[in-house]
Amino acid sequence: GENVEQHPSTLSVQEGDSAVIKCTYSDSASNYFPWYKQELGKRPQLIIDIRSNVGEKKDQRIAVTLNKTAKHFSLHITETQPEDSAVYFCAASWNEKLTFGTGTRLTIIP
Amino acid sequence: DTAVSQTPKYLVTQMGNDKSIKCEQNLGHDTMYWYKQDSKKFLKIMFSYNNKELIINETVPNRFSPKSPDKAHLNLHINSLELGDSAVYFCASSQNRGAWGNEQFFGPGTRLTVL
Repeated sequence: GENVEQHPSTLSVQEGDSAVIKCTYSDSASNYFPWYKQELGKRPQLIIDIRSNVGEKKDQRIAVTLNKTAKHFSLHITETQPEDSAVYFCAASWNEKLTFGTGTRLTIIP
Repeated sequence: DTAVSQTPKYLVTQMGNDKSIKCEQNLGHDTMYWYKQDSKKFLKIMFSYNNKELIINETVPNRFSPKSPDKAHLNLHINSLELGDSAVYFCASSQNRGAWGNEQFFGPGTRLTVL
């Protein structure tokens, strides 16, 4: 089955700076890579996703890049704000199911 | 007008008891899921149903039995609860079964505590 590794597990960033979270996956058949944000005590919510036929996707302050050859993808958040503080999960789809990474706790320091 | 709802929100029970969690979605989606999130925040798929048909059944103890009476509902029954079952259980739904470009909408979660 699919295995998704995510780094770092915790990340503290000064407000206004950028944050980068990286994930690698094991199954080259995976073709869909969403990122979910989970605020404390809340449900995970999709913030951005990318399909395997695209190398990069951007939505305002967040962007995701995908390197299929290396089997890794990254989340980039620019101009971070206090409301960006949360746990972020990457995921990869394989065989009709999503396998999630272990999560990154992002803290924005005011 | 909550998209995916779960009841109860909190569940505290003794070891050995049997309990159920209910999930309903009003999005008209075909596919529903159960995830378990442990104390370290790991999110793992347990089951998936598509139009009332079981399509994903991960390595989960058979004390866990999902049931989908219709495509808008997916319930989870747990027998003989153990301490290790303590976790947050999330229900989710998606338009259809393909994971390709298929956003999953999560419910608010049910925090299960087994004493």
